[in-house]
Amino acid sequence: DTEVTQTPKHLVMGMTNKKSLKCEQHMGHRAMYWYKQKAKKPPELMFVYSYEKLSINESVPSRFSPECPNSSLLNLHLHALQPEDSALYLCASSQEGSRINQPQHFGDGTRLSIL
Amino acid sequence: GENVEQHPSTLSVQEGDSAVIKCTYSDSASNYFPWYKQELGKRPQLIIDIRSNVGEKKDQRIAVTLNKTAKHFSLHITETQPEDSAVYFCAASKTGNQFYFGTGTSLTVIP
Repeated sequence: DTEVTQTPKHLVMGMTNKKSLKCEQHMGHRAMYWYKQKAKKPPELMFVYSYEKLSINESVPSRFSPECPNSSLLNLHLHALQPEDSALYLCASSQEGSRINQPQHFGDGTRLSIL
Repeated sequence: GENVEQHPSTLSVQEGDSAVIKCTYSDSASNYFPWYKQELGKRPQLIIDIRSNVGEKKDQRIAVTLNKTAKHFSLHITETQPEDSAVYFCAASKTGNQFYFGTGTSLTVIP
């Protein structure tokens, strides 16, 4: 069983649509992450939340808007996306490490296609 | 920022042989180095990790070595099996939940 759950699994949207990706974990992890992964490429870090506060934004365009409503949920709001934003979007979570980072657990991802 | 290089990009081995994948990193502050296996269409799965205060770690057929001075770490898979075929990613991270992935190695184990 996947401990990090992402919905939807697939999403097709037009460039003018607004949609949201959702991620949920119940492992008590206090760090949550969004990654973007293109085919045959490594995951690219987009955002990190630590204790429900945004701690890292890797210069992601404002058409991607993250939100962490509580310690178990992570959303990624999408608006006015471009065709090059088509990719697999992965959510991950980990325990918060005081000096050394902890293992990340990934969800199955949302495969996003922009028409 | 951190730059993680990974080699080779593709690797084919005969079943039963060993496979070695190497990564280098640039930021001496990096202190945690996980390895992930990603099968086609699936999520990355952690297979082994190593922290900067350890030089080597082994888990059954998988081992990882770390040379902090040279800033490189390697994944060793012994007695490879067809189910080991996948893309393998190394990563380097430092305090603050910053993770940076290598470019990936596509491993094919030939029965």
